[in-house]
Formats: sequence, structure tokens, C-alpha cells
Amino acid sequence: QSALTQPASVSGSPGQSITISCTGTSSDVGGYNYVSWYQQHPGKAPKLMIYNVSNRPSGVSNRFSGSKSGNTASLTISGLQAEDEADYYCCSFRSSPTYVFGTGTKVSVL
Amino acid sequence: EVQLVESAGGLVQPGGSLRLSCAASGFTFSSNWMSWVRQAPGKGLEWVANIKEDGSDKYYVDSVKGRFTISRDNAKNSLYLQMNSLRAEDTAVYFCATSSSHSWPYWGQGTLVTVSS
Repeated sequence: QSALTQPASVSGSPGQSITISCTGTSSDVGGYNYVSWYQQHPGKAPKLMIYNVSNRPSGVSNRFSGSKSGNTASLTISGLQAEDEADYYCCSFRSSPTYVFGTGTKVSVL
Repeated sequence: EVQLVESAGGLVQPGGSLRLSCAASGFTFSSNWMSWVRQAPGKGLEWVANIKEDGSDKYYVDSVKGRFTISRDNAKNSLYLQMNSLRAEDTAVYFCATSSSHSWPYWGQGTLVTVSS
């Protein structure tokens, strides 16, 4: 069960916008609107940021937004802040039913 | 407040067994799918297993099928992961998490399982 593909790292300056891609196949990302995104700071549990492609849980900043086109999902962070520096993982439902995470992206705030 | 607290992990020899538990509070445990997700040291997240609200359906990642068993006791608000025939590659922090809308809104703090001789 191969992982979804994410860039290893993405960086930006405070106030800028960055986008993290998450590429899968028609059996996962492209086949279902069940993509979620997680933020993880070192030594901490992951935090849900986006679910069902573009929905934000209560309490998550509206600077975070999600979208999907074909087999690729994306997470955009606008107005980048120092506290956004963390690892980010996408996840998709996959037929079986099972779930597959992305390879993870380290976001750095310059 | 939702709380998920995993039991202590530990050091296990290859081929050995270990049972993890997760105590849940602050929500209606019996109305939620539950999951285990793991993270090897310095690596990414990996979904391990899911269990339906009443325990009637269970799903596993291929790498643990036949070795791990997920279960739950709704009367005790507890989730379990029985891990048998452990391998070095099972070394990871194991998180329990609530499952909702094919995502995981609440997570435990995680517990480290080390498989080594």
C-alpha cells in the first residue's frame, strides 16, 4: 500500500501563502472526497486541519484551506505565521476500505 | 473534553506480543468508529486499523493482517490493539484516535513500542 506523494519540504516568509500538494491515484484521492490534512509539531499528536477535501473543523484558522483536482489534493496556508512551522500529512480513504497517508511535508517559515 | 489515553508501550523481543489499550472519555465512545495509527521514529504516519462502533467490522493495513487484532469494550470505554509476532518494523509510536467523516479529529498522546532483542 504505497503512500501518497507530497513534497518533502515547502518554505515561505511570514505573511506569504504556500501550497502543499498530495498526489495519489483514482483508487484513493481521485476516487473519493475523503481527503484530510494533519498538522504535527515535533513530539506531539497530529491535529486535524481539513476533512472531506475542504472542510475545516471548528477552531481551525480560516488561513487553512483545502481543494482537489483529479488525483491531486492541495492544502493552502495563507498569511503564513511562525506557529505554522510543522510537518503536514494528507490522508485519503482508499477502496477496501482502508486509508493511506502521504509522505509528509515539512513547512518552514523563513 | 475529549480525552484518549493510551497505555504504556514498552520493549518487546522480535516474535513477542503486546496489548495496547486506550481509555476514552468526554464523548459517546459507543457511537464512534475508532482507529490505531502509528509512526515509526523519524517517519510518517501510517493507518493501522479501524473498528466499527459495535465492533462488528474491522479493517487492517496489509502489513499487520493476521498479526494484529483491534477490539473494543464499549462498557469500559476502551479500545485495544493486540499485537502478536512483532517485528522490528513494528517499532513506532502508536496513537489511538476517534474516526469521523473518514478523518481523525481526536488523538491520544501516543505510546512507544520498541521491538528489539
